[in-house]
Amino acid sequence: EIVLTQSPGTLSLSPGERATLSCRASQSVSISYLAWYQQKSGQAPRLLIYGPSTRATGIPDRFSGSGYETDFTLTISRLEPEDSAVYYCQQYANSWTFGQGTKVEVK
Amino acid sequence: EVQLVESGGGLVQPGGSLRLSCAPSGFTFTTYWFHWVRQAPGKGLVWVSRVNGDGSDTWYADFVKGRFTISRDNAESTLYLQMNSLRAEDTAVYYCVRESYGTGRRYFEYWGQGTLVTVSS
Repeated sequence: EIVLTQSPGTLSLSPGERATLSCRASQSVSISYLAWYQQKSGQAPRLLIYGPSTRATGIPDRFSGSGYETDFTLTISRLEPEDSAVYYCQQYANSWTFGQGTKVEVK
Repeated sequence: EVQLVESGGGLVQPGGSLRLSCAPSGFTFTTYWFHWVRQAPGKGLVWVSRVNGDGSDTWYADFVKGRFTISRDNAESTLYLQMNSLRAEDTAVYYCVRESYGTGRRYFEYWGQGTLVTVSS
C-alpha cells in the first residue's frame, strides 16, 4: 500500500499570502496519478487537481499542483478566506489511498 | 448538473446490517464506475469499495471484505452498499463517488453529500 504523508498539519495564513502544501508518498506514484481534494467544514470533498497538475472544472487558477514520483505540492497563491478547508492528497495509481490532510486557516 | 444523493444511513447496533443507496443524476449512469469512501468523525478519508460499469467487477478494502457488498442496478440507476456484521469502527459518513472517465487510472471526480452511519448499542 502506498502511504501518503502530508505536511504541515495546519497552516495559518493571512488573505493574499501563498500556501504551500506537501504530500510525500512511501513509494513512487506511477505516471503521477495523484489528486488533491478540498473539504470545507461540514461539506463533502471536492476535486481540485489531478494528474498531478490539471485543475478540475471550475477551479480557479490560484490553485496549482506539481511534483512527481514521491514528492507532490499543492500551491494556493493569493489566499482568500473561502480557501479555509482541509486539503487531502490521494494516489490512484495502486488502489486508492489518501493523506491525513492539511488544515488551512485563512484569517 | 451532476448530483449524487446518498440515503440509508442511521443508527444500528453492533452486528447489525444496513444498506446504503446512491442515486446519481445529470449523466449517463451506466458509463461510469463508482466508489464508496468513508470518513469517521473528525478523521480523514478512507476508500471502501469500487464497482465497474456493469457490476461484474468489484473491489474492497481489506477491512470490509466479507462484510460489505457493493452493487448497482443499472435499470434503476442506483448504487448500493450492503453492510453486514457492522462494528463500532464502521461509524462514519459514507460518500458515494463517481470515478472520472477515460483511459488509464481514474480519479474521484464527483462526490455525494454523504450519509452518516452510526454503529452503537
